[in-house]
Amino acid sequence: DAGVIQSPRHEVTEMGQEVTLRCKPISGHDYLFWYRQTMMRGLELLIYFNNNVPIDDSGMPEDRFSAKMPNASFSTLKIQPSEPRDSAVYFCASSPRLADTQYFGPGTRLTVL
Amino acid sequence: AQSVSQHNHHVILSEAASLELGCNYSYGGTVNLFWYVQYPGQHLQLLLKYFSGDPLVKGIKGFEAEFIKSKFSFNLRKPSVQWSDTAEYFCAVNGPTGRLAFGKGNQVVVIP
Repeated sequence: DAGVIQSPRHEVTEMGQEVTLRCKPISGHDYLFWYRQTMMRGLELLIYFNNNVPIDDSGMPEDRFSAKMPNASFSTLKIQPSEPRDSAVYFCASSPRLADTQYFGPGTRLTVL
Repeated sequence: AQSVSQHNHHVILSEAASLELGCNYSYGGTVNLFWYVQYPGQHLQLLLKYFSGDPLVKGIKGFEAEFIKSKFSFNLRKPSVQWSDTAEYFCAVNGPTGRLAFGKGNQVVVIP
């Protein structure tokens, strides 16, 4: 199994630009999670999906952030417009059940100048 | 909501020393417990987990953890660390909603 796949691995953009992060979960996993990791705030859950449906988006910082899961094998996290304080590593994780092991992708390191 | 506490956020020790990282949680119901490790520049990887059964759990790379229900704790231990154990360690526990909550992590540095 290829594990959770994320792209791009690194993204450098300028303030105000739109950023789209992509995730392919492990096949057969019903749950998909988006996390953000920074030195200051640690690991934060942004949103998670169950069977492609967003269940809890209370961690999404503000309306500039949006996430979609159009099918079981693909999810996107979009930031529009991006700001320097969005600079972080964004991880996607998937799990077969809600309280089960989460498998993390390699992450996308986002730098907003 | 579930809260997970990890103390001693920064730990520095020498090779061959013993390591113990504490993890305490607040939810009193049935819990699933996890320790994840994040090596420098990498993603989180599962170190070990406890769902039920023997409260002493053996994980990869010589790590083990003990679930003590009465103390709401799931402490991680390794008798003799190596330089390659330098990493950040995260405890995670499911809460009343079932969703995992992660602690803030312990940054461990092993000096050769």
